Amino acid sequence: DGGITQSPKYLFRKEGQNVTLSCEQNLNHDAMYWYRQDPGQGLRLIYYSQIVNDFQKGDIAEGYSVSREKKESFPLTVTSAQKNPTAFYLCASRPRQGSSYEQYFGPGTRLTVT
Amino acid sequence: GQQVMQIPQYQHVQEGEDFTTYCNSSTTLSNIQWYKQRPGGHPVFLIQLVKSGEVKKQKRLTFQFGEAKKNSSLHITATQTTDVGTYFCAGTDRGSTLGRLYFGRGTQLTVWP
Repeated sequence: DGGITQSPKYLFRKEGQNVTLSCEQNLNHDAMYWYRQDPGQGLRLIYYSQIVNDFQKGDIAEGYSVSREKKESFPLTVTSAQKNPTAFYLCASRPRQGSSYEQYFGPGTRLTVT
Repeated sequence: GQQVMQIPQYQHVQEGEDFTTYCNSSTTLSNIQWYKQRPGGHPVFLIQLVKSGEVKKQKRLTFQFGEAKKNSSLHITATQTTDVGTYFCAGTDRGSTLGRLYFGRGTQLTVWP
């Protein structure tokens, strides 16, 4: 089955701890994205990557970091510097080539920090 | 910067009634997409519109892209309980080579049986 996997589905952490969210895709897509979703806020872009070893900040990158060492993997680290990390985190990907900008989303990770 | 506004934020309808959500961009878009997110789920792509004035239909769903490519709408005829969810529009800036989407805040649709 081709798709995007995010793990775990639910994650609980204590304040002050860094936490890394996993995102893996076997769609052979070049571009990958991380979004944060809060109630009533829609989807806000954290980071995105068009190719391996390259990534750009989105609209709310502060307190987050990413890496793109492999085409299929784009992990997101929520650092202790992120003031309000509790949220639903969505990873997405799309082919770099072609006319469609359709993004394929993973099932998401719900992070709760107390 | 680029902004995509979407209204209304919430819509409650009785089953069988129609529903419309509207999307407006602060800049001209190269294309617009619509996604549906069921409660507890993740966004799923519905459709992409590219041409000025384009209209596309998927069964009871009708999507329109404005002539100026700055606005769009999604209309559902005779809603069903299976239509429940949040509908997002997302646009790509004209001239963008990075493929990033700018999402509206979504319209949360509730359908009463």
